[in-house]
Amino acid sequence: EVQLLQSGGNLVQPGGSLRLSCAGSGFTFSGYAMSWVRQAPGKGLEWVSTISGGGDGTYYRDSVKGRFTISRDNSKNILYLQVNSLRVEDTALYYCARHQSSGWYDCWGQGTLVTVSS
Amino acid sequence: EIVLTQSPATLSLSPGERATLSCRASQSVSSSLAWYQQKPGQAPSLLIYDASNRATGIPARFSGSGSGTDFTLIISSLEPEDFAVYYCQQRSNWPRTFGPGTKVEIK
Repeated sequence: EVQLLQSGGNLVQPGGSLRLSCAGSGFTFSGYAMSWVRQAPGKGLEWVSTISGGGDGTYYRDSVKGRFTISRDNSKNILYLQVNSLRVEDTALYYCARHQSSGWYDCWGQGTLVTVSS
Repeated sequence: EIVLTQSPATLSLSPGERATLSCRASQSVSSSLAWYQQKPGQAPSLLIYDASNRATGIPARFSGSGSGTDFTLIISSLEPEDFAVYYCQQRSNWPRTFGPGTKVEIK
């Protein structure tokens, strides 16, 4: 069974940092691009970042460039999102998602909550 | 950035009725559009990709159509489990963007 198991969310003060993790199982992890998508409380979905299967291609939305870093360890089947200089507006449930061959998100993690508040 | 607009914001229907959801893009995305379903407390799930292809395991009552800037998701006969929020998403350009969602609620 294909699974993505997330961890790492927490309550953090503005300016703080966290590392979010997403462990994949049941598929050849390195063969799939992966993304992070977030959802602020009661709001819609917002794409955050994407990384290629080999890790050599990364993409970010403008509002997180320079603050967030997506990476992956294919030997451990884990996707990461390092989030630094957090802002109140980064408060959201962060999902990791696997890309199917045509690029759409065909498998999602359960989400991990990042709350930025003083 | 490509802006996706969904209408209506809320659709109030009864089980067995037909649901028609619309997604409009601010510029052409060709057929690079998908639909996701999200139920309360759950992650989204892929329904339709490349505008008209059903994802694995999605029942035939779900159908997608459109290209360019105008897209439609039709649920031919609503089942109780179909009451949820539906999002469209484009992957024609970076950044990837989602529409604001259409909530299909029980009338």
